[in-house]
Amino acid sequence: GDSVTQMEGPVTLSEEAFLTINCTYTATGYPSLFWYVQYPGEGLQLLLKATKADDKGSNKGFEATYRKETTSFHLEKGSVQVSDSAVYFCALRATDSWGKLQFGAGTQVVVTP
Amino acid sequence: NAGVMQNPRHLVRRRGQEARLRCSPMKGHSHVYWYRQLPEEGLKFMVYLQKENIIDESGMPKERFSAEFPKEGPSILRIQQVVRGDSAAYFCASSKGQGDYEQYFGPGTRLTVT
Repeated sequence: GDSVTQMEGPVTLSEEAFLTINCTYTATGYPSLFWYVQYPGEGLQLLLKATKADDKGSNKGFEATYRKETTSFHLEKGSVQVSDSAVYFCALRATDSWGKLQFGAGTQVVVTP
Repeated sequence: NAGVMQNPRHLVRRRGQEARLRCSPMKGHSHVYWYRQLPEEGLKFMVYLQKENIIDESGMPKERFSAEFPKEGPSILRIQQVVRGDSAAYFCASSKGQGDYEQYFGPGTRLTVT
């Protein structure tokens, strides 16, 4: 079946460091791919998405490129801030799905001053 | 513009009791999704509803769990005869449509079964 695998956390970084969170997926066809972020005590918020191969999603300095050949959708940010501390979830929507999202386990990111 | 509302935020039930979780979607949204997050795990899809219809319930446990989204009022996730393994955070999301329409998530209901 379809699945999403992302790197385990926590990932601890200093402010202004480069952030990468790896995400790979297993799915038939061409799923849509998403990154969500969850701040403490809040619901998930959509960070960015890509709906076809080679698309790049970007928002708030974060980027991810849909790589069909490596079935990956890694999240990157060039210079993190303390306010980026959160849990990040990679997710996919299968081609034949009405809207159901399948999530990875989440990666906690801690940015220290 | 209010976001997705869920209540209660925290719910404690004894084994064997019933739990009712409510979700009010964003204004103008008629599609609702329920997800469950067990400790140390990602979110797992449970059910997708439109007004008065269940569209996809492939993630719902076969027994004790039910969901509805009536013409008027919030969506309800109902768990009968709760067990310790039902302890989790339950998130509701809403969207304007199917497919890649953005799903907006509520803050979740944390259910604890004692």
